[in-house]
Amino acid sequence: QSVLTQPPSMSGAPGQKVIISCTGSSSNLGANFDVHWYQQLPGAAPKLLIHGNNNRPSGVPDRFSGSKSGTSASLVITGLQAEDEADYYCQSRDSILTDFWIFGGGTHLTVL
Amino acid sequence: QLVQSGTEVKKPEESLKISCKASGYTFRNYWIGWVRQRPGKGLEWMGMIYPGDSRTTYSPSFQGQVTISADRSSNTAYLQWTTLKASDTAVYYCARRPGDFSNYFVEWGQGTLVTVSP
Repeated sequence: QSVLTQPPSMSGAPGQKVIISCTGSSSNLGANFDVHWYQQLPGAAPKLLIHGNNNRPSGVPDRFSGSKSGTSASLVITGLQAEDEADYYCQSRDSILTDFWIFGGGTHLTVL
Repeated sequence: QLVQSGTEVKKPEESLKISCKASGYTFRNYWIGWVRQRPGKGLEWMGMIYPGDSRTTYSPSFQGQVTISADRSSNTAYLQWTTLKASDTAVYYCARRPGDFSNYFVEWGQGTLVTVSP
């Protein structure tokens, strides 16, 4: 069971907006640790999508954005495209141990 | 760039060491982490190493089960098992942390598939 909770699956039609949630606790997101998001396309390694709550690395389309408030975070994808069909993972750090990182369970996004 | 060693097929109780070779940056200056992904499952953070001084940090779930090491002379990080179990079957990724105060992985290896079967 992951410390960060994500919906296992979501879906949306092309052009729509989807919001993937990531819920933590007072020892991770609520302890002011940033949330980061990764995209994993089928059969590929994960790729950094958002870091530091809402920062996109170079090359990531601005259709992807992130936010964090308290013990929750969200990944927003607007103008959904077929190529966005992938698994999405949130990740943060937890204060229960020094330099202990945690992942959410992942959300499989289907583009209808 | 992080390039990992190839697919491994091992039997239970065998030992194994997989590698992650770094290039294009100063290896000693950046933490390298390992992440497990069991078949059809999510990502699990295993631990990390700072090649500059070989400091390591492990998830409690993996402490004592694996060993993370690094060789600065060859710019290579390693993940090692002394006694494999069927439950170690997974894809293992190495990944680079961009800085001491950046708690995420900016770059990932392609993954190494490890299959443990009698």
